[in-house]
Amino acid sequence: GAGVSQSPSNKVTEKGKDVELRCDPISGHTALYWYRQSLGQGLEFLIYFQGNSAPDKSGLPSDRFSAERTGGSVSTLTIQRTQQEDSAVYLCASSRAPRSGAGGGETQYFGPGTRLLVL
Amino acid sequence: ILNVEQSPQSLHVQEGDSTNFTCSFPSSNFYALHWYRWETAKSPEALFVMTLNGDEKKKGRISATLNTKEGYSYLYIKGSQPEDSATYLCASPTGANNLFFGTGTRLTVIP
Repeated sequence: GAGVSQSPSNKVTEKGKDVELRCDPISGHTALYWYRQSLGQGLEFLIYFQGNSAPDKSGLPSDRFSAERTGGSVSTLTIQRTQQEDSAVYLCASSRAPRSGAGGGETQYFGPGTRLLVL
Repeated sequence: ILNVEQSPQSLHVQEGDSTNFTCSFPSSNFYALHWYRWETAKSPEALFVMTLNGDEKKKGRISATLNTKEGYSYLYIKGSQPEDSATYLCASPTGANNLFFGTGTRLTVIP
Protein backbone atom coordinates (compact mmCIF):
# COMPACT_ATOMS: atom_id res chain seq x y z
CA GLY A 1 0.00 0.00 0.00
CA ALA A 2 0.94 3.66 -0.17
CA GLY A 3 3.45 4.90 2.33
CA VAL A 4 3.61 8.20 4.15
CA SER A 5 3.72 11.13 1.75
CA GLN A 6 4.82 14.68 2.40
CA SER A 7 4.63 17.88 0.44
CA PRO A 8 6.35 19.93 -0.70
CA SER A 9 9.56 17.96 -0.98
CA ASN A 10 11.57 21.17 -0.94
CA LYS A 11 10.69 24.66 0.18
CA VAL A 12 12.75 27.82 0.02
CA THR A 13 11.32 30.81 1.79
CA GLU A 14 12.38 34.20 3.01
CA LYS A 15 12.86 35.00 6.66
CA GLY A 16 9.61 36.22 8.21
CA LYS A 17 7.29 34.35 5.87
CA ASP A 18 4.90 31.62 7.00
CA VAL A 19 5.15 28.07 5.62
CA GLU A 20 2.86 25.06 5.69
CA LEU A 21 4.10 21.50 5.43
CA ARG A 22 1.72 18.65 4.72
CA CYS A 23 1.75 14.99 5.73
CA ASP A 24 -0.48 12.16 4.50
CA PRO A 25 -0.07 9.17 6.82
CA ILE A 26 -0.56 5.54 5.96
CA SER A 27 -4.25 4.71 5.80
CA GLY A 28 -5.45 3.22 9.06
CA HIS A 29 -2.57 4.57 11.14
CA THR A 30 -4.00 6.53 14.01
CA ALA A 31 -0.70 7.85 15.36
CA LEU A 32 1.17 10.63 13.57
CA TYR A 33 4.48 12.24 14.50
CA TRP A 34 6.45 15.24 13.29
CA TYR A 35 10.23 15.39 13.64
CA ARG A 36 12.92 17.62 12.25
CA GLN A 37 16.60 17.23 11.61
CA SER A 38 18.73 20.34 11.56
CA LEU A 39 22.17 20.26 10.00
CA GLY A 40 24.52 18.18 12.10
CA GLN A 41 21.83 17.29 14.63
CA GLY A 42 19.83 14.19 15.38
CA LEU A 43 16.14 13.75 14.73
CA GLU A 44 14.18 15.99 17.07
CA PHE A 45 10.63 15.21 18.12
CA LEU A 46 8.13 18.01 17.54
CA ILE A 47 4.55 16.82 18.03
CA TYR A 48 2.47 13.64 18.28
CA PHE A 49 -1.18 13.00 17.41
CA GLN A 50 -3.09 9.89 18.46
CA GLY A 51 -6.68 9.49 17.35
CA ASN A 52 -8.93 12.11 18.86
CA SER A 53 -6.75 12.71 21.90
CA ALA A 54 -5.16 16.08 22.56
CA PRO A 55 -1.82 16.23 20.76
CA ASP A 56 1.48 16.03 22.62
CA LYS A 57 3.08 19.36 21.69
CA SER A 58 5.98 19.08 24.10
CA GLY A 59 8.61 19.12 21.34
CA LEU A 60 7.54 22.28 19.55
CA PRO A 61 10.47 24.70 19.85
CA SER A 62 8.47 27.93 19.98
CA ASP A 63 4.96 29.31 19.65
CA ARG A 64 5.70 30.05 16.00
CA PHE A 65 5.21 26.32 15.39
CA SER A 66 1.78 24.73 15.31
CA ALA A 67 0.24 21.63 13.81
CA GLU A 68 -3.19 20.25 13.24
CA ARG A 69 -4.60 17.00 12.06
CA THR A 70 -7.93 17.09 10.31
CA GLY A 71 -10.29 14.13 10.36
CA GLY A 72 -7.68 11.96 12.00
CA SER A 73 -5.71 11.74 8.78
CA VAL A 74 -3.82 14.54 7.01
CA SER A 75 -1.65 16.78 9.16
CA THR A 76 -0.29 20.25 8.51
CA LEU A 77 2.71 21.72 10.30
CA THR A 78 2.76 25.52 10.17
CA ILE A 79 5.75 27.68 10.93
CA GLN A 80 4.98 31.37 11.28
CA ARG A 81 7.50 34.17 10.79
CA THR A 82 10.21 31.72 9.76
CA GLN A 83 13.75 32.21 11.00
CA GLN A 84 16.98 30.92 9.50
CA GLU A 85 17.37 28.45 12.36
CA ASP A 86 14.13 26.80 11.19
CA SER A 87 16.02 25.45 8.16
CA ALA A 88 15.91 21.68 8.47
CA VAL A 89 14.44 18.50 7.08
CA TYR A 90 10.96 18.05 8.50
CA LEU A 91 9.89 14.42 8.70
CA CYS A 92 6.47 12.99 9.32
CA ALA A 93 5.85 9.44 10.52
CA SER A 94 2.79 7.37 11.27
CA SER A 95 2.15 4.17 13.18
CA ARG A 96 -0.61 1.90 14.35
CA ALA A 97 -2.33 2.79 17.59
CA PRO A 98 0.06 2.19 20.48
CA ARG A 99 -1.01 -0.84 22.47
CA SER A 100 -0.38 0.61 25.89
CA GLY A 101 -1.36 4.19 25.23
CA ALA A 102 2.21 5.34 24.82
CA GLY A 103 3.41 6.06 21.32
CA GLY A 104 6.92 4.79 21.48
CA GLY A 105 6.59 1.05 21.10
CA GLU A 106 5.16 0.80 17.61
CA THR A 107 7.21 0.85 14.43
CA GLN A 108 7.04 4.28 12.87
CA TYR A 109 6.91 4.64 9.10
CA PHE A 110 8.51 7.80 7.79
CA GLY A 111 7.74 9.99 4.83
CA PRO A 112 10.45 11.36 2.53
CA GLY A 113 10.59 14.67 4.36
CA THR A 114 10.34 18.33 3.42
CA ARG A 115 13.64 20.17 3.09
CA LEU A 116 13.03 23.71 4.31
CA LEU A 117 15.53 26.46 3.64
CA VAL A 118 14.93 29.88 5.15
CA LEU A 119 17.01 32.59 3.50
CA ILE B 1 15.19 14.56 27.75
CA LEU B 2 16.51 11.07 27.16
CA ASN B 3 20.21 10.56 26.38
CA VAL B 4 20.47 8.14 23.50
CA GLU B 5 24.03 7.97 22.28
CA GLN B 6 25.56 6.19 19.33
CA SER B 7 29.12 5.34 18.47
CA PRO B 8 31.04 5.67 16.37
CA GLN B 9 29.72 8.75 14.59
CA SER B 10 31.03 7.50 11.28
CA LEU B 11 32.61 4.35 9.99
CA HIS B 12 34.28 3.30 6.74
CA VAL B 13 34.62 -0.40 5.98
CA GLN B 14 35.68 -2.42 2.99
CA GLU B 15 33.12 -4.43 1.08
CA GLY B 16 32.87 -7.87 2.62
CA ASP B 17 33.95 -6.81 6.10
CA SER B 18 31.65 -7.32 9.04
CA THR B 19 31.04 -4.39 11.34
CA ASN B 20 29.09 -3.35 14.39
CA PHE B 21 28.13 -0.21 16.23
CA THR B 22 26.61 0.72 19.54
CA CYS B 23 23.58 2.47 20.90
CA SER B 24 23.44 3.33 24.60
CA PHE B 25 20.38 4.51 26.46
CA PRO B 26 19.24 4.97 30.07
CA SER B 27 18.37 1.56 31.51
CA SER B 28 15.77 2.93 33.93
CA ASN B 29 12.16 3.05 32.72
CA PHE B 30 13.07 1.18 29.56
CA TYR B 31 10.23 0.68 27.13
CA ALA B 32 11.58 -0.18 23.68
CA LEU B 33 14.59 0.31 21.42
CA HIS B 34 14.21 1.07 17.73
CA TRP B 35 16.78 0.79 14.94
CA TYR B 36 16.32 2.62 11.65
CA ARG B 37 18.37 2.86 8.48
CA TRP B 38 18.39 6.20 6.70
CA GLU B 39 19.80 6.25 3.21
CA THR B 40 20.55 9.57 1.58
CA ALA B 41 17.52 11.08 -0.18
CA LYS B 42 15.22 8.38 1.20
CA SER B 43 12.94 7.97 4.21
CA PRO B 44 14.24 6.38 7.41
CA GLU B 45 13.39 2.68 7.22
CA ALA B 46 12.53 0.67 10.30
CA LEU B 47 14.86 -2.25 10.95
CA PHE B 48 13.93 -3.53 14.40
CA VAL B 49 11.87 -2.74 17.46
CA MET B 50 13.21 -4.56 20.49
CA THR B 51 11.62 -4.73 23.91
CA LEU B 52 12.99 -7.71 25.85
CA ASN B 53 16.32 -7.94 27.60
CA GLY B 54 18.52 -10.41 25.76
CA ASP B 55 16.45 -10.11 22.62
CA GLU B 56 18.23 -10.70 19.34
CA LYS B 57 16.68 -9.86 15.99
CA LYS B 58 17.88 -10.58 12.49
CA LYS B 59 17.01 -9.28 9.04
CA GLY B 60 19.18 -10.73 6.31
CA ARG B 61 22.79 -9.80 7.06
CA ILE B 62 21.81 -7.34 9.77
CA SER B 63 21.20 -8.33 13.36
CA ALA B 64 20.80 -6.55 16.67
CA THR B 65 21.07 -7.43 20.33
CA LEU B 66 19.63 -5.74 23.37
CA ASN B 67 20.79 -5.43 26.97
CA THR B 68 18.24 -3.41 28.91
CA LYS B 69 19.96 -3.88 32.27
CA GLU B 70 23.13 -2.14 31.19
CA GLY B 71 21.47 0.08 28.61
CA TYR B 72 22.99 -0.81 25.26
CA SER B 73 22.18 -2.36 21.93
CA TYR B 74 24.56 -3.52 19.22
CA LEU B 75 23.81 -3.56 15.50
CA TYR B 76 25.85 -5.99 13.42
CA ILE B 77 26.25 -6.14 9.67
CA LYS B 78 27.82 -9.27 8.26
CA GLY B 79 29.66 -9.07 4.96
CA SER B 80 29.00 -5.37 4.33
CA GLN B 81 27.90 -4.37 0.84
CA PRO B 82 27.95 -0.90 -0.76
CA GLU B 83 24.15 -0.79 -0.54
CA ASP B 84 24.48 -0.95 3.25
CA SER B 85 25.93 2.56 3.19
CA ALA B 86 23.53 4.68 5.22
CA THR B 87 23.08 6.35 8.57
CA TYR B 88 21.90 3.91 11.22
CA LEU B 89 19.76 5.49 13.90
CA CYS B 90 18.63 4.10 17.20
CA ALA B 91 15.83 5.58 19.25
CA SER B 92 14.10 4.93 22.52
CA PRO B 93 10.77 6.19 23.77
CA THR B 94 10.41 7.56 27.25
CA GLY B 95 7.20 5.66 27.80
CA ALA B 96 5.48 8.81 26.67
CA ASN B 97 4.66 9.57 23.08
CA ASN B 98 7.91 10.45 21.42
CA LEU B 99 11.07 8.72 20.33
CA PHE B 100 14.43 10.17 21.32
CA PHE B 101 16.89 9.52 18.54
CA GLY B 102 20.65 9.24 18.69
CA THR B 103 22.67 11.23 16.18
CA GLY B 104 23.37 8.09 14.20
CA THR B 105 26.30 6.13 12.87
CA ARG B 106 27.13 7.00 9.29
CA LEU B 107 28.38 3.85 7.55
CA THR B 108 30.25 3.95 4.25
CA VAL B 109 31.07 0.66 2.57
CA ILE B 110 33.92 1.00 0.12
CA PRO B 111 33.70 -1.28 -2.94
